Order: sequence, then C-alpha cells, then structure tokens
Amino acid sequence: NAGVTQTPKFRILKIGQSMTLQCAQDMNHNYMYWYRQDPGMGLKLIYYSVGAGITDKGEVPNGYNVSRSTTEDFPLRLELAAPSQTSVYFCASSYQTGGTYEQYFGPGTRLTVT
Amino acid sequence: GQQVMQIPQYQHVQEGEDFTTYCNSSTTLSNIQWYKQRPGGHPVFLIQLVKSGEVKKQKRLTFQFGEAKKNSSLHITATQTTDVGTYFCAAGGGADGLTFGKGTHLIIQP
Repeated sequence: NAGVTQTPKFRILKIGQSMTLQCAQDMNHNYMYWYRQDPGMGLKLIYYSVGAGITDKGEVPNGYNVSRSTTEDFPLRLELAAPSQTSVYFCASSYQTGGTYEQYFGPGTRLTVT
Repeated sequence: GQQVMQIPQYQHVQEGEDFTTYCNSSTTLSNIQWYKQRPGGHPVFLIQLVKSGEVKKQKRLTFQFGEAKKNSSLHITATQTTDVGTYFCAAGGGADGLTFGKGTHLIIQP
C-alpha cells in the first residue's frame, strides 16, 4: 500500500491564482481530512469527509473548497490565493477499528503565496 | 468544539535526560491521541487513550490520561537523539477530525 499520497510536494503561487492540491489513499478509509500547519504551530482542520459525496467544514474553511467523488480521492481547491494561505497542507485518512481513530497522514504540500 | 492547550512549547534536554509534555482541556475529552512529527515530516500516530486514569507504555514512552479526562501527559525516559521532533496531543477523531494542541518541540543536545 502507498498509504496517503499528496501532490505536489511544493508549490509557489502568485496572489489571486488558483490551484488544486491532490490527495489519494489506497487503504479504503471512509474518513478523510485536510489540515493546514503554519510554521511552529499545530494543525488546523480545514475540511473533512465521512464518505464519497459527503463533505463538511472544519475550523478554518474560508478560501478553500473540497469534493469527494470517490472513496480514494479528496482534492482541496484554493481559489484566489492569498499570502495568509502560505502553509503546509496535510491530507489524512482514518477508519474506526475497536474504537481507535488513528489518522494516517500524507507527506504534505508546502505552499507559498507571494 | 474541543480545545487543547499544550505545554511547554519548547523543551531542551541533554541526551539521556527525561522529557514530559502536558496537554490540558477545559472540557471533558472523549479520548486523546498523541502524534510525533519529525522535522520536515508529517505527523505519525503514537497512541490513543480513552479511559479515565489510563496509562499506556511504549518502550521508553509513558502516556497518561487524567482521572477527569481533561488532561494527559507524555513522558519519555532517557531521551535519545531519535526522539527529536514535535509531540502533539489531539482530541476527537472519527467523523469530526482532530483538534490539535500547538505541540511541544523536543530539542536534544548530545
């Protein structure tokens, strides 16, 4: 299994540009999440999904959109990029087993908006 | 939603010394998870605690969940250079995602 994969690894955007961060998992997990991590800080939840066709907002959803057309893929769309969106973006997936919700994280996408 | 505060933000130790990080919440938590993130890496799950007063050990790591389920701690005995990284506590999980503390950065001096 590849686990959770993310592309691209790095990206520089100009203010006002748009882009899609790709995330895929091959573990057949129902739950998927997008987090952002600012330098030296913890992770904040942007959006999450409990299954194909179902998405919901997390703590910091403004400026982002998601879709979940398949169990495997959970892309994150940035519209009209702003410097405040400079961050590292992590995608994660999980499933429940015996009451444990261990989350598996992808390697991250490092985004700079200038 | 649930919020968790984590202290200290940074901890410098000499190799071989012990290390402890603390996680606190103003509300009762259903569970607490701990993750480790190496510099430049992604968070990796260490453990989940669910029961009041629970204590779990993984080699040199000891995890505790408070009796009131409002606090937790991670203790590392005799730190090694491989322990370097940031340790996060996180509450929740499942359908709603996790709420992370800001993490404790462990810096080890040889």
